[in-house]
Amino acid sequence: SQQGEEDPQALSIQEGENATMNCSYKTSINNLQWYRQNSGRGLVHLILIRSNEREKHSGRLRVTLDTSKKSSSLLITASRAADTASYFCARNFNKFYFGSGTKLNVKP
Amino acid sequence: DTEVTQTPKHLVMGMTNKKSLKCEQHMGHRAMYWYKQKAKKPPELMFVYSYEKLSINESVPSRFSPECPNSSLLNLHLHALQPEDSALYLCASSQGGKTYGQYFGPGTRLTVT
Repeated sequence: SQQGEEDPQALSIQEGENATMNCSYKTSINNLQWYRQNSGRGLVHLILIRSNEREKHSGRLRVTLDTSKKSSSLLITASRAADTASYFCARNFNKFYFGSGTKLNVKP
Repeated sequence: DTEVTQTPKHLVMGMTNKKSLKCEQHMGHRAMYWYKQKAKKPPELMFVYSYEKLSINESVPSRFSPECPNSSLLNLHLHALQPEDSALYLCASSQGGKTYGQYFGPGTRLTVT
């Protein structure tokens, strides 16, 4: 499959805790991107990490990329109930391939 | 304006109907995309337009016909759909190239009866 794998498939945490999601892929990338989707609506672009970068931060988000292991992780620190959503990684190599997604539930 | 708009929000159509989905962006983006998303699944790429020309067709059945009338508009014409085509149809745009993310519209929820 062209799609990457994400784990866990579902994650439930308390507000204030950190959430970590992992993404693995099989082939080459130009960059890897993370998106959020609320309740089956449109996706929101969160962060992009280029293939020659190892770590990137944006607010409460931290993304790492290990091209030797073909994997990436998204860390959300100090989670909030509003972070409840599905999170997808998307591998970009001429076109976009989305991973299977992680459904995050942040309990207030 | 960083918004991608899609109309309609919901569409119910019979298998013999002809309908169209519309997408619009005014960000000057050069690339526009159609995705199909089934429940609890990731988006699947259907079509890519680059500079108003179809550059990628992911072997989509001919009952789906895309059209890009100008750089701001993207249509998806639907004809003789099957119930299994019921899904959320997402439009996206980007500046193109290797270093840009995509902006997604809210989607059209399509039900084929």
